[in-house]
Amino acid sequence: DAGVIQSPRHEVTEMGQEVTLRCKPISGHDYLFWYRQTMMRGLELLIYFNNNVPIDDSGMPEDRFSAKMPNASFSTLKIQPSEPRDSAVYFCASSLLDEQFFGPGTRLTVL
Amino acid sequence: LAKTTQPISMDSYEGQEVNITCSHNNIATNDYITWYQQFPSQGPRFIIQGYKTKVTNEVASLFIPADRKSSTLSLPRVSLSDTAVYYCLVGSNDYKLSFGAGTTVTVRA
Repeated sequence: DAGVIQSPRHEVTEMGQEVTLRCKPISGHDYLFWYRQTMMRGLELLIYFNNNVPIDDSGMPEDRFSAKMPNASFSTLKIQPSEPRDSAVYFCASSLLDEQFFGPGTRLTVL
Repeated sequence: LAKTTQPISMDSYEGQEVNITCSHNNIATNDYITWYQQFPSQGPRFIIQGYKTKVTNEVASLFIPADRKSSTLSLPRVSLSDTAVYYCLVGSNDYKLSFGAGTTVTVRA
């Protein structure tokens, strides 16, 4: 298995633009997680899905952030409009049991 | 979620054993203790998980005393490639993991 796949690996955009991050979980995993990592706040859980259904989105910072999982093999995290303070590394992870498998992350820079 | 406390950083040398202790005084009955490792520019990677006593795998050992208010991750004979951030997490099977600041372990030649 290729592991969790995220795209793009790097994204540079300007303030106000829409950003869409993509994730393909490991086949067969029924949980999917989105995290954000910054030096100031560390690794934060934003939202997670079970069987494509959002279970807990209490970590989503504000309405500018939205996440979808239209099927078992694909999820998106969208930021609209983006702001400089959204600059971070965004990780997607998937799991079947207790162990979470993380993707390589998307480094987002908002200018 | 139980709060965890672990040292900010630790230094070691190749071939030595590294022990990282994590405090989790308000651990709940159903909580497991899990450790993840993160290398620069990579996502965290699961190392080991335990509930009580001792757990050992090919990478590390996890020691949990009877009161479960702390745990110690033991990395035997570390190498330069073990330089990473190590996170201690405590939680039950609701899948909400809370990553703290972690412990930055630096292994020197």
